[in-house]
Amino acid sequence: DAKTTQPPSMDCAEGRAANLPCNHSTISGNEYVYWYRQIHSQGPQYIIHGLKNNETNEMASLIITEDRKSSTLILPHATLRDTAVYYCIVRPTGNQFYFGTGTSLTVIP
Amino acid sequence: SQTIHQWPATLVQPVGSPLSLECTVEGTSNPNLYWYRQAAGRGLQLLFYSVGIGQISSEVPQNLSASRPQDRQFILSSKKLLLSDSGFYLCAWSKGSSQTQYFGPGTRLLVL
Repeated sequence: DAKTTQPPSMDCAEGRAANLPCNHSTISGNEYVYWYRQIHSQGPQYIIHGLKNNETNEMASLIITEDRKSSTLILPHATLRDTAVYYCIVRPTGNQFYFGTGTSLTVIP
Repeated sequence: SQTIHQWPATLVQPVGSPLSLECTVEGTSNPNLYWYRQAAGRGLQLLFYSVGIGQISSEVPQNLSASRPQDRQFILSSKKLLLSDSGFYLCAWSKGSSQTQYFGPGTRLLVL
């Protein structure tokens, strides 16, 4: 199970782009990168996932480096409701998602 | 669209009492279902998963059990709660070979 490393906390001004980094230097060639977020006292919310190409959906963009050893989740226009803990996860082993401690993002008015 | 429900949202139970938490999924059939526990300030721990009615796999030995009496219903139970059973219990579902899991709102359990 590839491990991920994320900064423990970040701040972002409301309306600006939030760029959340994740290192996964031991990722295998067939492992996906997943991003979830958890707002306080709620269940984790799926955001996006990708293998090696950049991905975009209505919530965010995922940029994966060419060597796949790191990725960045981009929230293009952060709002106060985006304040949450963001988890970067590399392909679940078996049936389990290994959620680490993630990055606590605070969007500042 | 698919939705996942859990209840109750919060629960306070005395040590030694029984437990029953329920999870239901709407809008899909034959989902894979999962029970996780999240201790305060920590990551998620997979407790049980199920690929079909009556099929339960346990990931860790514990004081809890799970059952799947219907296709879209997953129940987490205990005969006698321990203090260490306190936590945030999350149900999730996935479909077929897709690795994406979708989580419910969770049940916060406090055992006193």
